[in-house]
Amino acid sequence: EVQLVESGGGLVQPGRSMKLSCAASGFTFNNYDMAWVCQAPKKGLEWVATISYDGSSTYYRDSVKGRFTISRDNAKSTLYLQMDSLRSEDTATYYCARHASPLYWYFDFWGPGTMVTVSS
Amino acid sequence: IQLTQSPSLLSASVGDRVTLSCKGSQNINNYLAWYQQKLGEAPKLLIYKTNSLQTGIPSRFSGSGSGTDYTLTISSLHSEDLATYYCYQYNNGLTFGSGTKLEIK
Repeated sequence: EVQLVESGGGLVQPGRSMKLSCAASGFTFNNYDMAWVCQAPKKGLEWVATISYDGSSTYYRDSVKGRFTISRDNAKSTLYLQMDSLRSEDTATYYCARHASPLYWYFDFWGPGTMVTVSS
Repeated sequence: IQLTQSPSLLSASVGDRVTLSCKGSQNINNYLAWYQQKLGEAPKLLIYKTNSLQTGIPSRFSGSGSGTDYTLTISSLHSEDLATYYCYQYNNGLTFGSGTKLEIK
């Protein structure tokens, strides 16, 4: 059974940093591109970042470029999101999600999410 | 590509046939998926590539469309279908629609 479990969320002050983790199990992690998707309170879903199966390529939405870094450790089957220079508008639930295939970048499995609140 | 979903809120009765719409600002080339999100839960994949049903999803859910216009249909609404439904395109960039909240009368 595919499982994705996020951790590392919480309350953080504006301008500070936070690192999220996503532990994957039930599938061959290093065969899949992975992503982070966020959802602000009572708002819709937004793709944040994607990393290729081997970590060689990364992609970001414009609003987080230069502030967020997606990475992975295939030996530990873990995905990360380093978030720097956090802003109040980054407040959201962050979901770890698996891209279904290298060619088709829809998400077939999601974790339950971890909440990040950016506030002083 | 921007996605516009309509209606934003839909109220229907158990047993009704329900149709949700998603319109792209450009041709999506059928690279469109639908997600169901129940309150307090993560999204769940229902449909991919316009009309392919994800494993384990009930057959009352179906998708159709082409070009810029796509539809999710629930053939006979069940009470457990109470949720917000998002369309998502992966043809050019990765974007979600703003969602349709489905209420049960």
